[in-house]
Amino acid sequence: GAVVSQHPSWVICKSGTSVKIECRSLDFQATTMFWYRQFPKQSLMLMATSNEGSKATYEQGVEKDKFLINHASLTLSTLTVTSAHPEDSSFYICSARDIGQGGNSPLHFGNGTRLTVT
Amino acid sequence: QKEVEQDPGPLSVPEGAIVSLNCTYSNSAFQYFMWYRQYSRKGPELLMYTYSSGNKEDGRFTAQVDKSSKYISLFIRDSQPSDSATYLCAMWTDSSYKLIFGSGTRLLVRP
Repeated sequence: GAVVSQHPSWVICKSGTSVKIECRSLDFQATTMFWYRQFPKQSLMLMATSNEGSKATYEQGVEKDKFLINHASLTLSTLTVTSAHPEDSSFYICSARDIGQGGNSPLHFGNGTRLTVT
Repeated sequence: QKEVEQDPGPLSVPEGAIVSLNCTYSNSAFQYFMWYRQYSRKGPELLMYTYSSGNKEDGRFTAQVDKSSKYISLFIRDSQPSDSATYLCAMWTDSSYKLIFGSGTRLLVRP
C-alpha cells in the first residue's frame, strides 16, 4: 500500500519552455502533498506544500511564479516548471501522507523526475 | 549548525556485516523519527517509523531512538549487496508538517 506515482520519470526540455510533473497517490487519499528538490549527492530540500483545494505554501527562496503547483484532487498534484533554465535541472520528488493514517503518519515518496534543461 | 547531522560516508562493509547508521539532532521537540532508503535516481523508500524513544525491529532492520542524547540509529543485520544505497534519517515535531532530513549516508556492501 501507500504508493505514490510520479510522471514522467525523466524529461529533457529546451530553455524557455515549461514542464509539468504529475504526482498521484494510487491507493490512498492525500489532502497534502509535498514537493522536494534534490541535487546530486545532497539531501532533499522542501520546495512547497501542496494543499488540495487551496493555494500551495512555498518555502523561503522558492519562486512561486516559476514553480506552479496545483492540487486538483485528493490524489493528484502537479508541479509546472515555467520558463525553465539550465539551473532548474535537478531531481524533483513528490511525497504524500495518507490522511486515513492520521496527521503524523510518515510521508511516502514518488520515484522522482529527473529534469534536464538544455 | 544543521538541525540534523548525518555522516555522509561512504560506509563500506563486507556482505553479512552488521551496519550501524546514525543521526544526531538539536531540536528536542522532534518526536517522530524515520529512516528512508534511497537508491540512485529513485525516490526515498520508507524503512522505519518510530515515535519517541525506544527500539523498533522489522526483519533485519532495527531503529533506536535516544531522545535524552538526541541520537537515533538504524542497524542492519546480515547486510546484503542489495542494501547498498543512501540512507536518510528524517524527523519532525508534533506541531510541524515539515520533515527535516539528514544529509544521508552512502552505504556500500561488498560481495
